[in-house]
Amino acid sequence: GQQVMQIPQYQHVQEGEDFTTYCNSSTTLSNIQWYKQRPGGHPVFLIQLVKSGEVKKQKRLTFQFGEAKKNSSLHITATQTTDVGTYFCADTGTASKLTFGTGTRLQVTL
Amino acid sequence: DTGVSQNPRHKITKRGQNVTFRCDPISEHNRLYWYRQTLGQGPEFLTYFQNEAQLEKSRLLSDRFSAERPKGSFSTLEIQRTEQGDSAMYLCASSFGTGLYGYTFGSGTRLTVV
Repeated sequence: GQQVMQIPQYQHVQEGEDFTTYCNSSTTLSNIQWYKQRPGGHPVFLIQLVKSGEVKKQKRLTFQFGEAKKNSSLHITATQTTDVGTYFCADTGTASKLTFGTGTRLQVTL
Repeated sequence: DTGVSQNPRHKITKRGQNVTFRCDPISEHNRLYWYRQTLGQGPEFLTYFQNEAQLEKSRLLSDRFSAERPKGSFSTLEIQRTEQGDSAMYLCASSFGTGLYGYTFGSGTRLTVV
């Protein structure tokens, strides 16, 4: 079956440093969605990417979809303590049920 | 509308007992999903409904699990004869159509089987 892997598994940065998580699939992705889950919380939708090579920005967050639609990335510029959490990518698949990646846990310290 | 509501928030049960969880989706959303999440992992798909019809079930969903969505409104997930391996967070999510604008997740029900 499909495997969606994310690297790194964990990253610890100092506030102000940049952060990137990479999402790689063993099969072609349909659409990719990104979610953030705070410690003890539930996944919260951030964005959906649909087109090959698409780039979207939300303030300090930049999302990219690979040309071959087999990978995606999320980059955070100048991290803040409020960015702490686990970031998941998820493939919507053909039936629109999400297949989540393994997640990247981000820790930010002052 | 305050979002997707799940209850109870926590459930501790003895092995072999039956448990039922409830999910109230956003009222305008016609799709409802159940996911299971264990510590350090991403949510895993269990099943989903479009209105009252259950359209897909994961192979993860053994015959001890059953879900319903009567009248296309709230949904229940029942686990019969619980096992320790069922301990997890059970998340409900809803979406309008195919989820182009994302899925809205509830806060989940944390099940502990002792």
